Amino acid sequence: EDQVTQSPEALRLQEGESSSLNCSYTVSGLRGLFWYRQDPGKGPEFLFTLYSAGEEKEKERLKATLTKKESFLHITAPKPEDSATYLCAVIYGGATNKLIFGTGTLLAVQP
Amino acid sequence: KAGVTQTPRYLIKTRGQQVTLSCSPISGHRSVSWYQQTPGQGLQFLFEYFSETQRNKGNFPGRFSGRQFSNSRSEMNVSTLELGDSALYLCASSNDRGVETQYFGPGTRLLVL
Repeated sequence: EDQVTQSPEALRLQEGESSSLNCSYTVSGLRGLFWYRQDPGKGPEFLFTLYSAGEEKEKERLKATLTKKESFLHITAPKPEDSATYLCAVIYGGATNKLIFGTGTLLAVQP
Repeated sequence: KAGVTQTPRYLIKTRGQQVTLSCSPISGHRSVSWYQQTPGQGLQFLFEYFSETQRNKGNFPGRFSGRQFSNSRSEMNVSTLELGDSALYLCASSNDRGVETQYFGPGTRLLVL
């Protein structure tokens, strides 16, 4: 079954305590993997797109990496404003694009 | 540049009724996608419209339908509402690359009683 699994479901960090979020996927014909940030009461905000294994992208304290089976979102020295739900999604398939999301990781960064 | 706007932001309906949600994409974007977000199922893709044509569709029953107008604005309709349709409905717009570069609106929160 095609699916995207994110772990952990929730993560609490102290300010400055670096960590990683995981997104593993089992789909055929991966075309791209996306990371989003979602704040309460708002729509997801696009962060990164990764297309091939070995690819890395960075934005401020965030770095996303991709392998053939999973992606990691590394958060370096997080701040309280990084608190949010982080979602990953994959687009896959041949002639017809299919898009599925993981259920997200709720990150809380305490000062 | 103005972002994606959705109306209404909140809606309460009763079972059996129908509802229409509206989405105005970012200026110049021709692709509009709709999603349902619930605590149990997460974000699920409903459908995508591009230049007034449905280009992609998720696994939802026929009660869920949509359309796109010539100005790229889109509406989503849900007929014969069920309690399980209570959710946050998100609209996202993108340029010609479709869902690969999409920007989300704030969503419409629908409560079915």
